[in-house]
Amino acid sequence: DARVTQTPRHKVTEMGQEVTMRCQPILGHNTVFWYRQTMMQGLELLAYFRNRAPLDDSGMPKDRFSAEMPDATLATLKIQPSEPRDSAVYFCGTSRENSPLHFGNGTRLTVT
Amino acid sequence: GDSVTQMEGPVTLSEEAFLTINCTYTATGYPSLFWYVQYPGEGLQLLLKATKADDKGSNKGFEATYRKETTSFHLEKGSVQVSDSAVYFCALSANSGNTPLVFGKGTRLSVIA
Repeated sequence: DARVTQTPRHKVTEMGQEVTMRCQPILGHNTVFWYRQTMMQGLELLAYFRNRAPLDDSGMPKDRFSAEMPDATLATLKIQPSEPRDSAVYFCGTSRENSPLHFGNGTRLTVT
Repeated sequence: GDSVTQMEGPVTLSEEAFLTINCTYTATGYPSLFWYVQYPGEGLQLLLKATKADDKGSNKGFEATYRKETTSFHLEKGSVQVSDSAVYFCALSANSGNTPLVFGKGTRLSVIA
């Protein structure tokens, strides 16, 4: 089965540090979504890209979060500087036309 | 904006019991509807989907029917197993794929032997 690969699976860092999360889309999938999951808010859309171009990043705190797709095989989500309230599980999902969204196993981020 | 409301959990059932998890939605146009399942420590997996009114999605014994008149997409299973214990998410998107999903809050199901 084709899978979305996310790294790292777990990240513990101190407040103020930079965090980079990576996602490798399923081959042939041209749309990449970043979601954040917390107990309080559930699943929130942070940003998404199609054909490497950002379509919507209105869910991201602009001052500290950034999302990019350096190439078709890699999407990144960066937080700089990180804060304890950023602690969550971050999911990458990918899809293509007429195909449902497939998710990776997530990056569990803990900011102390 | 679009939204999904699903029943609060947790839901605890005995093995072989009948399962219903209610889901209703608010959307403009004709969304596609999905159920995703999340096992502990894993990402969300697509369980089933329906793309138009009266469609029935089914997979692994689970079923849900797209009811436009009641804006609902309730998940059912006739006989649950311990291995069905997970969190279930109802979701919608503007079309059948390639657009963002709007999720409900999730319903945790525990099945006991």
